[in-house]
Amino acid sequence: QKEVEQDPGPLSVPEGAIVSLNCTYSNSAFQYFMWYRQYSRKGPELLMYTYSSGNKEDGRFTAQVDKSSKYISLFIRDSQPSDSATYLCAMTADSSYKLIFGSGTRLLVRP
Amino acid sequence: GAGVSQSPSNKVTEKGKDVELRCDPISGHTALYWYRQSLGQGLEFLIYFQGNSAPDKSGLPSDRFSAERTGGSVSTLTIQRTQQEDSAVYLCASSLVSRQGQGYTFGSGTRLTVV
Repeated sequence: QKEVEQDPGPLSVPEGAIVSLNCTYSNSAFQYFMWYRQYSRKGPELLMYTYSSGNKEDGRFTAQVDKSSKYISLFIRDSQPSDSATYLCAMTADSSYKLIFGSGTRLLVRP
Repeated sequence: GAGVSQSPSNKVTEKGKDVELRCDPISGHTALYWYRQSLGQGLEFLIYFQGNSAPDKSGLPSDRFSAERTGGSVSTLTIQRTQQEDSAVYLCASSLVSRQGQGYTFGSGTRLTVV
C-alpha cells in the first residue's frame, strides 16, 4: 500500500463549479502538507502549504487538513478552464527533506 | 537564474546507451533534489544534495544511476546502459532550506524516452 493515496481521476466539471480534491495518508509523522498544480509538460508549482490540522484559504483555493483522519483536501471555488491541470498532494515530516507525493488527480474544467 | 533550469527538455535514446541530464538550480539554493515521474504516477524521490554532498541516495533505482553536483550549483544525473523502464520525466528541484518541504521550486523536467 502506498503511503499517500490519491484518486487519479480524471475529474470533469463545468466552469464555475466547486471542485474537491483529496488525499489520504498512512504515516502519522507527516505534519506539513502541500498541494502542487502541474500543467502538461511543466514542473509542479506550489499552490498551498499548510502545517498540521486546520484550514488555509488563498483566493479561490482552500486547503484542509484532518490529521485525526489522515485526510487532506483542496477546494477550488468558481473553477475556471485555466484550472485544468493535474493536482498533486505532497507531505513530509518535521525534520525531513523528502516529499512524499500522491499520484495526482487530473482536473478538466469545461467552458 | 530566476528558476530551476533543466536540459535537455526531451531526450530519446537507444536502449543500452548512457544519458546525462542537467539541472541548474536557483542561485543560492543549497539543497537540490532529483525526482522521477513515470506515466500516471506521482513523483518518486531519487537523491538529495546539500551543497556538493549527497547524504541521501536511497531513491536511486539501481547502480546504473548516479548523480553529482559541483560548485554547490549545477547537478548532473547520469543513467548508464539505459533500459526501457527508465523512460520517465526526471524533475529537479532546489530550495534554500531542506526540511519541512519549504520553498521547493521545480524545473520543467527532462522527458526521457528509451527506445
